[in-house]
Amino acid sequence: AQSVTQPDIHITVSEGASLELRCNYSYGATPYLFWYVQSPGQGLQLLLKYFSGDTLVQGIKGFEAEFKRSQSSFNLRKPSVHWSDAAEYFCAVAPSGNTPLVFGKGTRLSVIA
Amino acid sequence: GAVVSQHPSRVICKSGTSVKIECRSLDFQATTMFWYRQFPKQSLMLMATSNEGSKATYEQGVEKDKFLINHASLTLSTLTVTSAHPEDSSFYICSARDLGQGATGELFFGEGSRLTVL
Repeated sequence: AQSVTQPDIHITVSEGASLELRCNYSYGATPYLFWYVQSPGQGLQLLLKYFSGDTLVQGIKGFEAEFKRSQSSFNLRKPSVHWSDAAEYFCAVAPSGNTPLVFGKGTRLSVIA
Repeated sequence: GAVVSQHPSRVICKSGTSVKIECRSLDFQATTMFWYRQFPKQSLMLMATSNEGSKATYEQGVEKDKFLINHASLTLSTLTVTSAHPEDSSFYICSARDLGQGATGELFFGEGSRLTVL
């Protein structure tokens, strides 16, 4: 069965600093890969997704993620963090387009002045 | 983009009562909807896959008789928590797959419904 690992439970960065959130997956083939953001008490918002093609994916809010097959990783990055980026971030995978997502445990991002 | 709406967003009920949560796809048809449960400060766990016109498929460990799922139309799936108890208090989130994008794997998520059982 596929699984998703987000090694960092909580990350704190200064506003304006760069950010990288790690995500590793366990699956035989290349799955569909997603990053979602969740503000407290809210639903999920899709930041970006990777299905195939260019391994560097651009998303909303200035986020990007890079798929690295050799490392089974799909890390999320942002060059300059804003205070409004403070939220919970979930990496998710799906074996195909017709299957539900499997979520990582999430990484909570705190942004300090 | 596609929108999935959940109602109610918050509900408080007494122990022993039943609560129904609706999940609607507003501008697309969804033959499949997924129901997730999220405990505080935890990730989302898939509860069941709701299939239009047929029985839902439940994940291991999810009680079918407690969490009744009905997917009567292509735009509506309902989750009924029967005889709710405090341990059922959680954040329930539904998601739906747009038929027009069936092969992409993108799921659209509702805003979530927070259930508190007293």
